[in-house]
Amino acid sequence: SQQGEEDPQALSIQEGENATMNCSYKTSINNLQWYRQNSGRGLVHLILIRSNEREKHSGRLRVTLDTSKKSSSLLITASRAADTASYFCATDANDYKLSFGAGTTVTVRA
Amino acid sequence: GAVVSQHPSWVICKSGTSVKIECRSLDFQATTMFWYRQFPKQSLMLMATSNEGSKATYEQGVEKDKFLINHASLTLSTLTVTSAHPEDSSFYICSARDPGLSGNQPQHFGDGTRLSIL
Repeated sequence: SQQGEEDPQALSIQEGENATMNCSYKTSINNLQWYRQNSGRGLVHLILIRSNEREKHSGRLRVTLDTSKKSSSLLITASRAADTASYFCATDANDYKLSFGAGTTVTVRA
Repeated sequence: GAVVSQHPSWVICKSGTSVKIECRSLDFQATTMFWYRQFPKQSLMLMATSNEGSKATYEQGVEKDKFLINHASLTLSTLTVTSAHPEDSSFYICSARDPGLSGNQPQHFGDGTRLSIL
């Protein structure tokens, strides 16, 4: 089932700018994961954040998690054309089945 | 890192044909694999959980007789779309988790199969 909502649905930015997208979910989770999907391809894992963590970094990516608000955000800094993709959050409620958000389509203009 | 291979990547066939999609874990043994369906510009919807050596668990609304899942070995799960019709056209993606790793771990996704039924 799909429990997450993401906003914005689409985002267009200039190369070098930052991109922020948000994810909200409804039930208790064990962890929240962010994935990237290039057009017509499978999903690439970006970051996993546990329910007891509040912030995590990986290269140009920064993820926050607020379990009290049941929300997470993904920040991509200094964006590049290669960051153009759809980004999905997915929650794991401790049964390993992932519930995906609606996704945010990011377009980075050169 | 762990790799999941999905085959074929693209299928076009006539209505009424049955289509088999394979999902393999290449460097780990996957006791559990997952099958998702994705319509254009939409999110992934979990269809079923494939369990090695036992019956698959289907999500509500997914017809088990339509989407047959077989997980006969620790590295292979197959999804067969039986008597496919145009409304079954979609992007099907599998994923697997490595049970050898403890704690919170991401899943590994195949590259997907685009199914087009004429």
